[in-house]
Amino acid sequence: DQQVKQNSPSLSVQEGRISILNCDYTNSMFDYFLWYKKYPAEGPTFLISISSIKDKNEDGRFTVFLNKSAKHLSLHIVPSQPGDSAVYFCAASGAGGTYKYIFGTGTRLKVLA
Amino acid sequence: DSGVTQTPKHLITATGQRVTLRCSPRSGDLSVYWYQQSLDQGLQFLIQYYNGEERAKGNILERFSAQQFPDLHSELNLSSLELGDSALYFCASSGGWGGNGYTFGSGTRLTVV
Repeated sequence: DQQVKQNSPSLSVQEGRISILNCDYTNSMFDYFLWYKKYPAEGPTFLISISSIKDKNEDGRFTVFLNKSAKHLSLHIVPSQPGDSAVYFCAASGAGGTYKYIFGTGTRLKVLA
Repeated sequence: DSGVTQTPKHLITATGQRVTLRCSPRSGDLSVYWYQQSLDQGLQFLIQYYNGEERAKGNILERFSAQQFPDLHSELNLSSLELGDSALYFCASSGGWGGNGYTFGSGTRLTVV
């Protein structure tokens, strides 16, 4: 039962353009959504989060949008830089009253110089 | 350095053996989470401990067990190892609420031969 899905395993974008990574979820009880970035041979690092009571959160070049009716969130990176090349995981938490995160399978972003 | 320390970084062992993975959380964090990442898979939640007590359980096999000690470090024990247990095992810690994000360690790569 995959409650959090990232349907695009990979994405290539030109440097300076916008990267849009998508994530869908099935459990309406999730109350926080997060994005993590992972480089090879490192653990995932926290990027940005959004509460279910908001529809947008922005932090520098990174913006997360939440569409609760569609059970969909997206991460926008503008402008994309080669250093953004990594695997991006979306995660959701809150269902069941614990802080455990349910992760998607990840999207590998490649930013082309 | 994320502040979460995992040892060892790499482990190669034979089928049927037993191994122990160790995690020291970030200073001040009471929660420890264990995740498994198999090839091309997302991060699968295994188990959470909070201040020494089990808080949540995921798809953790009966051959696997974990504990959190009074000094808050945690150990994940994997026994009767099978080839399919080969994976990256991540530990993460957090100090509080769901939207704050975990801090992950760099992982232990387990190879079962």
